[in-house]
Amino acid sequence: DAGVIQSPRHEVTEMGQEVTLRCKPISGHNSLFWYRQTMMRGLELLIYFNNNVPIDDSGMPEDRFSAKMPNASFSTLKIQPSEPRDSAVYFCASSYSETGELFFGEGSRLTVL
Amino acid sequence: GQQVMQIPQYQHVQEGEDFTTYCNSSTTLSNIQWYKQRPGGHPVFLIQLVKSGEVKKQKRLTFQFGEAKKNSSLHITATQTTDVGTYFCAGHPGSGYALNFGKGTSLLVTP
Repeated sequence: DAGVIQSPRHEVTEMGQEVTLRCKPISGHNSLFWYRQTMMRGLELLIYFNNNVPIDDSGMPEDRFSAKMPNASFSTLKIQPSEPRDSAVYFCASSYSETGELFFGEGSRLTVL
Repeated sequence: GQQVMQIPQYQHVQEGEDFTTYCNSSTTLSNIQWYKQRPGGHPVFLIQLVKSGEVKKQKRLTFQFGEAKKNSSLHITATQTTDVGTYFCAGHPGSGYALNFGKGTSLLVTP
């Protein structure tokens, strides 16, 4: 079975540019999570969806960040405009339920110059 | 908000020594989960504990959930170089909330 699929795996961009990260969850999973990982702050929850509906977006840093889940098989995380402090690894994870184990994608490593 | 604290931050052991990482939550948890992340990799689920006082074993790994459901530990007996990585605990407050990860314990095992 295919796991959680994220793209791109690596992105290098310049400050001010728009960045879009994509995620395809495991088929049949109804919860999807976006996490950001840095050395300083560890794994931070940005937002999570249940049945395509955003449940908790309190971790989204500011208005520059937005996330969508138009259907059960696709989600995007957009940063506009990007800043150097957004440099991190962004993980998408999915789960059968809100309280179940998470299956992580391989992550998208973002570098903003 | 709920916080999950994990100690130690780093641990360096000789192969064959034991290792323990501890996790504490500021609030009572519905369940606690443990994940392992190899260098350059992504977190991989190890186990979930749900019941007060629960103990589960996976080969050389022993996981415990405290009686008050606010703390947990992971113990590795006789570490091997394949145990290298960062071990995260993640507490779940209950429905309507997502997992809250600790900062992790990075384990280095030298032969």
